[in-house]
Amino acid sequence: EVQLVESGGGLVQPGGSLRLSCAASGFTFSSYSMNWVRQAPGKGLEWVSYISSSSSTIYYADSVKGRFTISRDNAKNSLYLQMNSLRDEDTAVYYCARPHPTYGYGMDVWGQGTTVTVSS
Amino acid sequence: SYELTQPLSVSVALGQTARITCGGNNIGSKNVHWYQQKPGQAPVLVIYRDSNRPSGIPERFSGSNSGNTATLTISRAQAGDEADYYCQVWDSSTARYVFGTGTKVTVL
Repeated sequence: EVQLVESGGGLVQPGGSLRLSCAASGFTFSSYSMNWVRQAPGKGLEWVSYISSSSSTIYYADSVKGRFTISRDNAKNSLYLQMNSLRDEDTAVYYCARPHPTYGYGMDVWGQGTTVTVSS
Repeated sequence: SYELTQPLSVSVALGQTARITCGGNNIGSKNVHWYQQKPGQAPVLVIYRDSNRPSGIPERFSGSNSGNTATLTISRAQAGDEADYYCQVWDSSTARYVFGTGTKVTVL
């Protein structure tokens, strides 16, 4: 079964750091680019970051650029999001999602999400 | 930055047709994807590249894209179609994924 499982969320104070992980299984992880997408409470979906299959290409949303770092370890079938200088507005459910070339890079597989709460 | 605008809500009678629009500058030149999200669940891809359905998605879901508007159509609406729906594109000029504002569909 194709699956993505996020972990690492939790409660953190403003200015703090957190590292999210996304474990992939059931497909050849190293062949796919990956995304992080977040959703603040009661709000819509917001794309956060993209990383290509070989990590050679990385993009960030303006809202997180300079504070968040996306990375991956293809040997461990894992995707990461290092989040520094966290702000109240970073509070959200964070999803990892797979863009699939067959689907025009629409995201066909999503994890269940991990919740990040930034609060003092 | 590129923006996608959706109506906040759409209501449809059981068995009737719902149409959800997604407005963006020259969106017809982009590939549009649509996601369904039910409360407490992750989004699900229901339409990719404007009008294509992934396997497992009912034929009742269809899409179109032209000019400045993309449209998701849900035919013969069922209670189980109640959800939030989001359009999404890749904006190559800024190298950003962009999601629409989201539409809550209510089946009456």
